[in-house]
Amino acid sequence: KQEVTQIPAALSVPEGENLVLNCSFTDSAIYNLQWFRQDPGKGLTSLLLIQSSQREQTSGRLNASLDKSSGRSTLYIAASQPGDSATYLCAAKDYNAGNMLTFGGGTRLMVKP
Amino acid sequence: EAQVTQNPRYLITVTGKKLTVTCSQNMNHEYMSWYRQDPGLGLRQIYYSMNVEVTDKGDVPEGYKVSRKEKRNFPLILESPSPNQTSLYFCASAGQESSYEQYFGPGTRLTVT
Repeated sequence: KQEVTQIPAALSVPEGENLVLNCSFTDSAIYNLQWFRQDPGKGLTSLLLIQSSQREQTSGRLNASLDKSSGRSTLYIAASQPGDSATYLCAAKDYNAGNMLTFGGGTRLMVKP
Repeated sequence: EAQVTQNPRYLITVTGKKLTVTCSQNMNHEYMSWYRQDPGLGLRQIYYSMNVEVTDKGDVPEGYKVSRKEKRNFPLILESPSPNQTSLYFCASAGQESSYEQYFGPGTRLTVT
């Protein structure tokens, strides 16, 4: 059964820093991996989707990479801003489990002005 | 605007009183699913549907029912709610033409007393 882990669980950085959020998964037979942002009490907003055949995806200040062989994905946020404060979740969609999406526990990010 | 809608957004009910949470998407997605989110347990999938009249259990299906009579709608039914079903519920949809990138609804906060 797929397990997805995100480290660290919480992160606090000063504004302007570049930062990396980590996501690891146990079963490399994934169809894709998706990164989400969730603000407190709100829904999930899709940030980036990486297909299993891709190595990375970029959107603005965000860059997500995927290394299936090591079971890892990273989300890089450049020049962080207070508005980036939120919980970031990664989720793996497996080939082997129908269409079930397995989520990590999330990283709660706070960017201080 | 492409979106997933859920109703109601907030619901307080009593043990045993049947309820339905509706979910609708306007993106012609074939895949829809329900998740619950609980502190310390993260997001867990309840049920999913690959297409009309096709549904499957996720990680935590006990106490829930779903139906998929139309492509756009995927209601979640709690026949006899219990306090342990107090949670934040999310509906999501995805389509093959967008590589199964998952789009989430705004969430339904359910309290069962």
